[in-house]
Amino acid sequence: EIVMTQSPATLSVSPGERATLSCRASQSVSNNLAWYQQKPGQAPRLLIYGASTRATGIPARFSGSGSGTEFTLTISSLQSEDFALYYCQQYNIWWTFGQGTKVEIK
Amino acid sequence: QVQLVQSGAEVKKPGASVKVSCLASGYTFAAYYMHWVRQAPGQGLEWMGWIDPNRGVTTYAQKFQGRVTMTRDTSITTAYMELSRLDSDDTAVYYCARGLSSVTPWAAFDIWGQGTVITVSS
Repeated sequence: EIVMTQSPATLSVSPGERATLSCRASQSVSNNLAWYQQKPGQAPRLLIYGASTRATGIPARFSGSGSGTEFTLTISSLQSEDFALYYCQQYNIWWTFGQGTKVEIK
Repeated sequence: QVQLVQSGAEVKKPGASVKVSCLASGYTFAAYYMHWVRQAPGQGLEWMGWIDPNRGVTTYAQKFQGRVTMTRDTSITTAYMELSRLDSDDTAVYYCARGLSSVTPWAAFDIWGQGTVITVSS
């Protein structure tokens, strides 16, 4: 099983600042990597797929990069609605998720 | 609009089975793979398997093989996930999620149901 490791577990950021979230795969997943946002009591929402392609309706402040084993989600200027839990997911070999990064208000 | 609507919360006793439904609307149901994912309380996301609504073909995560059955009824654009021999570790929110690609199951999940809470307790 491919293990996805996200860091940090919690990220404290002020509104308007940039947030950088990391995701590492235990073996190469090529660019078969997605990012999701989840708020309490809600289902996950797809943000990024193919490591860097924004899903429909996702604001341009969300961007993804990386390939192979190292990936990054960047939120360029945090808005109040962006404080949430973020998961990475690989879909190269089966489907596995990271444990999540909580983005909280500093 | 494209949406997935799941059945309501259930409470089950250990050893019982549960069947969750997922009604799809706003798109061609048979054209996209349907996945099932669960999330235990305070935990991360765990993929359970997928079904091709067109052919009825399924693939399950090894952890759930022998205990999970995914089916569909194309006449009412509904997918189902049945999990048997429940125990307390199966207490979780269960989601159906549409695969992004109509060509391959190897894709991200672009549309999610609202989730169904399954509680297993004696």
